[in-house]
Amino acid sequence: EAGVAQSPRYKIIEKRQSVAFWCNPISGHATLYWYQQILGQGPKLLIQFQNNGVVDDSQLPKDRFSAERLKGVDSTLKIQPAKLEDSAVYLCASSLGGQQPQHFGDGTRLSIL
Amino acid sequence: GENVEQHPSTLSVQEGDSAVIKCTYSDSASNYFPWYKQELGKGPQLIIDIRSNVGEKKDQRIAVTLNKTAKHFSLHITETQPEDSAVYFCAAKPEYGNKLVFGAGTILRVKS
Repeated sequence: EAGVAQSPRYKIIEKRQSVAFWCNPISGHATLYWYQQILGQGPKLLIQFQNNGVVDDSQLPKDRFSAERLKGVDSTLKIQPAKLEDSAVYLCASSLGGQQPQHFGDGTRLSIL
Repeated sequence: GENVEQHPSTLSVQEGDSAVIKCTYSDSASNYFPWYKQELGKGPQLIIDIRSNVGEKKDQRIAVTLNKTAKHFSLHITETQPEDSAVYFCAAKPEYGNKLVFGAGTILRVKS
């Protein structure tokens, strides 16, 4: 089966600019996650969707980050305006839900100048 | 909330030797514990997982053990090979919700 697809793979922007990331989960996976992975650390959950509804966004900096999954399939994560500390890899994962394993894409590496 | 600590942060072994990575968790209600391998420029790849009703699970050269009383779990890799070199992450999932809390990672280097 095809894995989780993410684009772009790399993005370089200046601080205060905006940026968007796209994720296409594994077909049939109802649960979708966005993680932030800062260099040298483990992934940290930003937001979790079940179909097109938000289940957990408690760690999403809502003043600058937003995410949507309008049709319950693809998802986009946006940062506006970006700060230097947002430099990280943004990972998307999907699962069938419950205690089923989460499968990760290869991420988008974001560099803020 | 859940907190996961992982040790060691780096581990070097000779090819053919065994490697052991340990994690402790804080939430006694956590019930699912996956291990991921992350290679440079790639996303984390699930290599093995264990649920709280099982004490040990094995898959070829990889095994995971869980001690619920002590709240720790370990990854064991036997007969290590150069291609095992990567960053390994443990994670724990609390009883309610699907959120995974990750450890900080272990850089494993297998020297040939």
